[in-house]
Amino acid sequence: VHLVESGGDFVQPGRSLRLSCAASGFTFRDYAMHWVRQAPGKGLEWVSGLNWNSGSIGYVDSVKGRFTISKDNAKNSLYLQMNSLRAEDTAIYYCAKALLAEGGCFDFWGQGTLVTVAS
Amino acid sequence: SYVLTQPPSVSVAPGQTARITCGGNNIGSKVVHWYQQKPGQAPVLVVYNDDDRPSGIPERFSGSNSGNTATLTISRVEAGDEAAYYCQLWETRSDLSYVFGSGTKVTVL
Repeated sequence: VHLVESGGDFVQPGRSLRLSCAASGFTFRDYAMHWVRQAPGKGLEWVSGLNWNSGSIGYVDSVKGRFTISKDNAKNSLYLQMNSLRAEDTAIYYCAKALLAEGGCFDFWGQGTLVTVAS
Repeated sequence: SYVLTQPPSVSVAPGQTARITCGGNNIGSKVVHWYQQKPGQAPVLVVYNDDDRPSGIPERFSGSNSGNTATLTISRVEAGDEAAYYCQLWETRSDLSYVFGSGTKVTVL
């Protein structure tokens, strides 16, 4: 299993950014996937996730209405569209594969991509 | 939302046993997972479904969950076990919502 995040950047507050996660080594369409972030010097925070067929999607309260998660099974890719970015969204964003189609633990993680929101 | 409480730090001598707690309201009725994160690295799953170990994780790592406390136990602690450890659970299946504990830094003396 290999997960590679990309798209992190330095952006101003209020701008948008789209993160991508390229997956390989497993049947991508069969598993739930998630985004987890870690602000500098802080702990892990679950941001968003979706089940295998995108029929169930969840977000942490602080990003609801601003972030959108999606997956493209044909491209073996997971995405996170981040709009109206705030300084508190500054973090390393990790892509994680779930153990099961509907959820479960996160058994594989990417190395992360850094998002910095500042003026 | 559901809150998971962990001690900020635990110190342990090499060869001894480290116990990291994760407190939550009736957490024993939920399924808990544990992750290890070393500085500059991505998290690694070390215990899942309360007390199962992924392949490649030493038997020294074990978990339990009952009442209001889940516990990760590291036996015969080694210098390489020094890391931050996070508990996690699936908060609401209907809403696909997860929560992490605040993390515990394990220092090997």
